[in-house]
This record gives sequence, structure tokens and C-alpha cells, in this order.
Amino acid sequence: ELKVEQNPLFLSMQEGKNYTIYCNYSTTSDRLYWYRQDPGKSLESLFVLLSNGAVKQEGRLMASLDTKARLSTLHITAAVHDLSATYFCAVAGVNAGGTSYGKLTFGQGTILTVHP
Amino acid sequence: NAGVTQTPKFRILKIGQSMTLQCTQDMNHNYMYWYRQDPGMGLKLIYYSVGAGITDKGEVPNGYNVSRSTTEDFPLRLELAAPSQTSVYFCASSPLLGTGNQPQHFGDGTRLSIL
Repeated sequence: ELKVEQNPLFLSMQEGKNYTIYCNYSTTSDRLYWYRQDPGKSLESLFVLLSNGAVKQEGRLMASLDTKARLSTLHITAAVHDLSATYFCAVAGVNAGGTSYGKLTFGQGTILTVHP
Repeated sequence: NAGVTQTPKFRILKIGQSMTLQCTQDMNHNYMYWYRQDPGMGLKLIYYSVGAGITDKGEVPNGYNVSRSTTEDFPLRLELAAPSQTSVYFCASSPLLGTGNQPQHFGDGTRLSIL
């Protein structure tokens, strides 16, 4: 059974600071996603990571994937208040035949609050 | 471009009632999914479909049924509503995997309370 764990679950940051959210998963996967969710809203796609060593950046957010360590990170640079949200990583599990079908297992989410 | 559309947005049911949550996508995506999100938690997969006429169970399928008669529509049915099914339900879709860096596109969700 695929398990996905994020840490920390709660993150309170000052504006201008840097921090990293970690996402560990338990079994082989062929793709990992990062999503953002604002309170009461739907999920917004941030990154899709497909291969070992993949690194993607968008604005103040940078995501990386290490498939050997089964670890992804979401790094926040110089945080601003607008980044306050819940961030989820999600991993696509594969069946015994190696087929994914995109069935996602989500982490619990990291609630990020950025203070002035 | 509407993307993934879910109806209704909110619903209150009594225990034992039944209802269908509707989901439609206009992106011609083959894959569709239903997830539930309980307060303070990540999403859990209920059912998924890889194309019209093909559905399969996810992690938490008990108490739910689905059908996929067309590429566009993927309704979720609750037959005998129970308080444990109080949750926010999200429908999502994606194109065939391997066709690029495509994420799953999510609808706005249906907030369901069962009293």
C-alpha cells in the first residue's frame, strides 16, 4: 500500500524567509504532483515531476524529485503573504503490472501561513 | 473553457437518502476520478475511470457507485447516505498518461452534509 507523508504539517513563516516542505512516499511511482489549495477552494496544480532529479521552478516555489530516496521537496524562497495556503503532494501509484492509471495518493497537506 | 464542472455545490441529506453528484468535463480527457476530502486531511480516491464503460474502485469505494456512459460524464451515486459520508467531494480528469506533463484538473467540489 502506497503511503505519502508530508512534513511539517503546519508551517508559520515570516515574510522574506526561506523554508522547505518534504514529501516522502513508500513505494515505486512514476510521477509526483504538487497542488495548492486555498480555504474552501479547489486544488490548483503547481508542478508535475516525472523523473529522478527533476527540478521545476515557478516564481518563489521550486520542486524537486529524488526517486531513489522516494522524496520530493517544495522549497519556498523569500515567502510572501500570498503564498499562504495548504500544499499537498500526491503520488501516482502503479499496479503489479507497472501501470499507473493516475491513481493519486495524497499527503496530509502542509498548512502554510506567512506573517508580515 | 469550463474544464471540470461539478453540481451541486452544496447539499444536505438525511440519513438513508440517496443522491447523485454530477461531474462533467469538456476537455475530452480519458481518465476521470472521484475523491473525498475530510476536514484537515488529504484527498482519498473513491472510484476512477479510464474511459467510457470502464470503472474501477479506489481506496474508499464502500457506499458509492459510479458509471461512465460517455467520455464527458462521470456521476457518483450515494445509495444510503450515512453520517460518515459527510465530506467534500472532488471530481478530476486527466488526458492519457504519457502524453506530457499533464496534472489532474479538479472541479470546484461538492460540499455534502448528512444529518
